[in-house]
Amino acid sequence: QKEVEQDPGPLSVPEGAIVSLNCTYSNSAFQYFMWYRQYSRKGPELLMYTYSSGNKEDGRFTAQVDKSSKYISLFIRDSQPSDSATYLCAITWGSNYKLTFGKGTLLTVNP
Amino acid sequence: GAVVSQHPSRVICKSGTSVKIECRSLDFQATTMFWYRQFPKQSLMLMATSNEGSKATYEQGVEKDKFLINHASLTLSTLTVTSAHPEDSSFYICSARMLGGREPGKLFFGSGTQLSVL
Repeated sequence: QKEVEQDPGPLSVPEGAIVSLNCTYSNSAFQYFMWYRQYSRKGPELLMYTYSSGNKEDGRFTAQVDKSSKYISLFIRDSQPSDSATYLCAITWGSNYKLTFGKGTLLTVNP
Repeated sequence: GAVVSQHPSRVICKSGTSVKIECRSLDFQATTMFWYRQFPKQSLMLMATSNEGSKATYEQGVEKDKFLINHASLTLSTLTVTSAHPEDSSFYICSARMLGGREPGKLFFGSGTQLSVL
């Protein structure tokens, strides 16, 4: 079983839709959870950084962590064409800076 | 703030030649830099971890003699792909951990280098 599982999609939605992106992980030692956005042929950009279970909101983005289920989500409200990108979940533990990435979900928001 | 500059963005070279990729933290000091490679439609795979002033730590299966990493200062790390072959063609990305950073896993990424070996 891979440490982080993420549905690669692709996911196509109309503009204005609510998008839900998800990852599951297997190691309960993981403590820190991140979502990165990566445009084609560019480096990843950090969107959300969370530590505990629960929700964290930043503008149109909400990150949700459920440690009991080992499940993390990213919600995008009022999606825009500029949100079209690959979204990668990443996790780590302790004082470790080595990230374990999901495969990424390719999202297309159609105008 | 927290900008990581990576150059070149794209390089095409002949088989057997060496290619150097630079990764610079522009507005912060980086204790640790990480090098990844990414194949099309795949996730980022960690190749090595480099700490300023010390030897890089390579992940299992990564040839350290082929992928030479130098981290000579707190703002610069370089990856040299020696004797490149077509199978080394990939997207290479660096990331940096901020000196004094207290949020584990919070890294800042360069914009990547597309290497094509003919």
